[in-house]
Amino acid sequence: NAGVTQTPKFQVLKTGQSMTLQCAQDMNHEYMSWYRQDPGMGLRLIHYSVGAGITDQGEVPNGYNVSRSTTEDFPLRLLSAAPSQTSVYFCASSYPTGTGELFFGEGSRLTVL
Amino acid sequence: AQSVTQLGSHVSVSEGALVLLRCNYSSSVPPYLFWYVQYPNQGLQLLLKYTSAATLVKGINGFEAEFKKSETSFHLTKPSAHMSDAAEYFCAVSRGGSQGNLIFGKGTKLSVKP
Repeated sequence: NAGVTQTPKFQVLKTGQSMTLQCAQDMNHEYMSWYRQDPGMGLRLIHYSVGAGITDQGEVPNGYNVSRSTTEDFPLRLLSAAPSQTSVYFCASSYPTGTGELFFGEGSRLTVL
Repeated sequence: AQSVTQLGSHVSVSEGALVLLRCNYSSSVPPYLFWYVQYPNQGLQLLLKYTSAATLVKGINGFEAEFKKSETSFHLTKPSAHMSDAAEYFCAVSRGGSQGNLIFGKGTKLSVKP
C-alpha cells in the first residue's frame, strides 16, 4: 500500500516561475489537504478538499491554487513563485468521518530563489 | 475556535530519563487530540490519539498521553528515553465539523543525550 505519495521531493524555482506539486493517495480517502511547514511555525493549512469537485481555503491560501477532479489526486499549484513560498509542503488525507486522523506524505521541499 | 500551545520548542533529556512534552489546547467542542512525530527529512507519523474513549492513551514506541479536561492539557510522556526518540513532536486538535482538518502546535524538538 503506497499511502500518500508526493512528487517531486525537491524542487528549486526562480521567482515568478510556476509549478505543480503532485499528491496522490490510494486509500480512497475523501478528505485531502495541503500544509506548509516552516521552522518555528508548525504546520499551517493551505487548502483542503472534502471530496472530488470541492475545495476550500485554509489559513494561508494566498499564492496557491488547488483542484480536485478525482478522489485520488489533489495537486497544489504555485502560479508565480515567491521567496516567501520557500518551505516544506505536506499533503495529507483522511476519512471524512471518524476521528480525523491524518495520513501524511513524505513532503516536498521547495526553494524559491 | 480551536488552538494548540506546545510549551518548549526544544527539550533535551538524557538517555533513560523521563520524557515530558507539554501540550495545552482550547476547543469549543469536545476535542479529538493527536500527537505526531517527525523524524528528520520524513513526513509526520501518528503516535497516538484521544477520541474520548479513555483519558490515558497509549501509543507506539512506549509513548502515552493523558487527557485532562480540567487543565485543558494533553501532555506526552515516556518513562525512559531512547536515542531513537530524537525527533520533532507535534500536538494537534481537530477543528471539529471538518474531519481531518487539524490545527497543529508549533512543535517540540526532542534531543536525547547519551
